[in-house]
Amino acid sequence: KQEVTQIPAALSVPEGENLVLNCSFTDSAIYNLQWFRHDPGKGLTSLLLIQSSQREQTSGRLNASLDKSSGRSTLYIAASQPGDSATYLCAVRRHGGATNKLIFGTGTLLAVQP
Amino acid sequence: KAGVTQTPRYLIKTRGQQVTLSCSPISGHRSVSWYQQTPGQGLQFLFEYFSETQRNKGNFPGRFSGRQFSNSRSEMNVSTLELGDSALYLCASSLGADRGIYGYTFGSGTRLTVV
Repeated sequence: KQEVTQIPAALSVPEGENLVLNCSFTDSAIYNLQWFRHDPGKGLTSLLLIQSSQREQTSGRLNASLDKSSGRSTLYIAASQPGDSATYLCAVRRHGGATNKLIFGTGTLLAVQP
Repeated sequence: KAGVTQTPRYLIKTRGQQVTLSCSPISGHRSVSWYQQTPGQGLQFLFEYFSETQRNKGNFPGRFSGRQFSNSRSEMNVSTLELGDSALYLCASSLGADRGIYGYTFGSGTRLTVV
């Protein structure tokens, strides 16, 4: 059974700091991994999608890496801003069987202090 | 390009009632999935529809059902509501179901409160 864990559960940093969020999964048989942010009162916003054959994806100040063999992904946020404050979720799309569902991690609540 | 639209945004229902939630996917997307988010359980998969057929179902009781129409719009129904059904219900659409290479786009959700 696929389990996805995110560390840390919560993080508070001063504005301008670079930070790394971690995601680990137990079953490496995945199609892809997607990072989302969840803002209160809003739905999920997709940040980055990494296919199982890829090592990393970048979008602006965000960089996500994937090491499928070790079951790990990291989301790097450069020069953090107060607007980055949200809950960050990683989700894997499993391979085989019921392929078309995402298994979500527990989330990291990020607070960027001005 | 319009995003995923969920209606209504908020609902308050009484125990024992039933409720229907609606989701309109991004134009051209044929796969619609539903997720339930609660503080205790996080995001849990409910079911997924592709071309009007339910392809996958999560571990939820039969009170939770859904359907998809020919225009890919989807509805989710919960009958005999319980207090524990209070949650944020999120709909996600994806371009297709082939080989899992597509990402998901989520709607803003419907906040259901059962009293």
